Amino acid sequence: DVKVTQSSRYLVKRTGEKVFLECVQDMDHENMFWYRQDPGLGLRLIYFSYDVKMKEKGDIPEGYSVSREKKERFSLILESASTNQTSMYLCASSKQGYEQYFGPGTRLTVT
Amino acid sequence: GQSLEQPSEVTAVEGAIVQINCTYQTSGFYGLSWYQQHDGGAPTFLSYNGLDGLEETGRFSSFLSRSDSYGYLLLQELQMKDSASYFCAVPSGNTPLVFGKGTRLSVIA
Repeated sequence: DVKVTQSSRYLVKRTGEKVFLECVQDMDHENMFWYRQDPGLGLRLIYFSYDVKMKEKGDIPEGYSVSREKKERFSLILESASTNQTSMYLCASSKQGYEQYFGPGTRLTVT
Repeated sequence: GQSLEQPSEVTAVEGAIVQINCTYQTSGFYGLSWYQQHDGGAPTFLSYNGLDGLEETGRFSSFLSRSDSYGYLLLQELQMKDSASYFCAVPSGNTPLVFGKGTRLSVIA
């Protein structure tokens, strides 16, 4: 079974803090993704990566950056957290793009 | 650009059949995926249609018509545990998957 884990289920941060969200997958997948999910808006792609040290912007990259130093690990960074970044963050991995395996999510609250 | 349209909510009776429709507009098209998400849970992959026609997996089936830019997810013999949100998704341009806003299915007794 594919397992995708995320570093925290719940996180509370203050405005202006630097926030790191970690994601690890154990199935040797090349592709990894970060989404945010907000009520009524569905899942929106922030960044994705097809290989180590490679990253591509998704639909809403502003205010975020990513790091992929190892194949199994994909980190999402909020350089200076803002209240409009309060959301559920979901990491996913895949071998084929259409079949993605999601982690449990991190519910981030920025106060 | 790309857009996907699906109903926001559907209610159906336990034991019945329900169809969740998805229409899409994308630049380039490679197939339609469906995902299920229970409240508080992560999305899980249900099915993929790369070609026109019906794909069946147990109680769930998924259909695609590329000429109509349309697909649907069919759930048969509904059970209470099928209450969840269902998302259609397509790849578009450089974006590996674009998700619809989701359909919240409520199964009632």
